[in-house]
Amino acid sequence: QQQVKQSPQSLIVQKGGIPIINCAYENTAFDYFPWYQQFPGKGPALLIAIRPDVSEKKEGRFTISFNKSAKQFSLHIMDSQPGDSATYFCAASSDYKLSFGAGTTVTVRA
Amino acid sequence: GAGVSQSPSNKVTEKGKDVELRCDPISGHTALYWYRQRLGQGLEFLIYFQGNSAPDKSGLPSDRFSAERTGESVSTLTIQRTQQEDSAVYLCASSLSGMGAYEQYFGPGTRLTVT
Repeated sequence: QQQVKQSPQSLIVQKGGIPIINCAYENTAFDYFPWYQQFPGKGPALLIAIRPDVSEKKEGRFTISFNKSAKQFSLHIMDSQPGDSATYFCAASSDYKLSFGAGTTVTVRA
Repeated sequence: GAGVSQSPSNKVTEKGKDVELRCDPISGHTALYWYRQRLGQGLEFLIYFQGNSAPDKSGLPSDRFSAERTGESVSTLTIQRTQQEDSAVYLCASSLSGMGAYEQYFGPGTRLTVT
């Protein structure tokens, strides 16, 4: 069964917009929540990650918001650019094994 | 430095044939993982190596799938008697250590097509 549920499946925004991707999990043992970015024909690359002891983390234009009580976390891409067009995966882990969401394809139109 | 490399990048095979997929992890990374990514889907965990041993093979979908790792470096994923449902991108990742959720670095994947 899928341990991490991700939505939406796809979204389109205009340049400068803020795409928001949401993920939810059930396993309270998860203690590491990374986001990966994947371009066509490439492997996923780590974008940003958060631990449950913080509610928000920013790296450049990417921000993770984390709600431990709701068991939800989300990725915001500020001032999105056409180069941000990619598939984004959330994931969760309690040890070595990453459980991935199904992915969100983001298209940023110029 | 060199990242994770995988070969071949693409493989087309006939149903029933065996295939071998290779992964070269980042030098010094003791943990190695294989994932499967079906078209339009997320990554599905297959197997985890710590050093040369595989403490978790729980994701291997059937006994047609096997993997080994030698010298704490190269790993090979073998699929015997391939079926059309095996068509997918097979991704390898490595990390400094397995426990503690160190960052996993992914290779570009091998796209397997079974005809």
